[in-house]
Amino acid sequence: SQQGEEDPQALSIQEGENATMNCSYKTSINNLQWYRQNSGRGLVHLILIRSNEREKHSGRLRVTLDTSKKSSSLLITASRAADTASYFCATAPTSGTYKYIFGTGTRLKVLA
Amino acid sequence: DTGVSQDPRHKITKRGQNVTFRCDPISEHNRLYWYRQTLGQGPEFLTYFQNEAQLEKSRLLSDRFSAERPKGSFSTLEIQRTEQGDSAMYLCASSFYRHSSGNTIYFGEGSWLTVV
Repeated sequence: SQQGEEDPQALSIQEGENATMNCSYKTSINNLQWYRQNSGRGLVHLILIRSNEREKHSGRLRVTLDTSKKSSSLLITASRAADTASYFCATAPTSGTYKYIFGTGTRLKVLA
Repeated sequence: DTGVSQDPRHKITKRGQNVTFRCDPISEHNRLYWYRQTLGQGPEFLTYFQNEAQLEKSRLLSDRFSAERPKGSFSTLEIQRTEQGDSAMYLCASSFYRHSSGNTIYFGEGSWLTVV
């Protein structure tokens, strides 16, 4: 079963605009990770944010985490055509399981 | 680049045949995961190893599926008597847990399985 739900399911923007995608989850977590996946390829790790952190930055990426709302957001600033991909959040529940649970993803299309 | 390596990248097999996928994790990573992904969906957890011990298995892993990680290094995922519903991409991932920085998981490029 999928714990995470990304929102929106699909997003289309112009190059240079910002893209925001959200992830909601159901159980308490140790950390949350965001991944990018180009069509037919493996997943590329973007950012890990721990449950005691509220915000992290990496280059043009900003991730926030609100554990009270069980949600996270990924902001990509000044988007480029090369950012076109699917983006997934993955959560590590605290409930004695080792698995990371992925959402259904947001498909981002950046138009040149 | 010594990332997670998976082999083969693509496999087409006839229904009823057995297939085996291999995963070579990043050197010294003690945790290894197998996931399955179908088109338009997120990856679904199959199984997890810590060193050579298989510590968790999903209900998705029917008795036709078996995974091993001998000596805590590479891992194999075997699917016996394949069915068309097994067609998917099989992803391997590895990590080395650090308390200070969490457990970043690195994925391979995946192995595509098509059962005809």
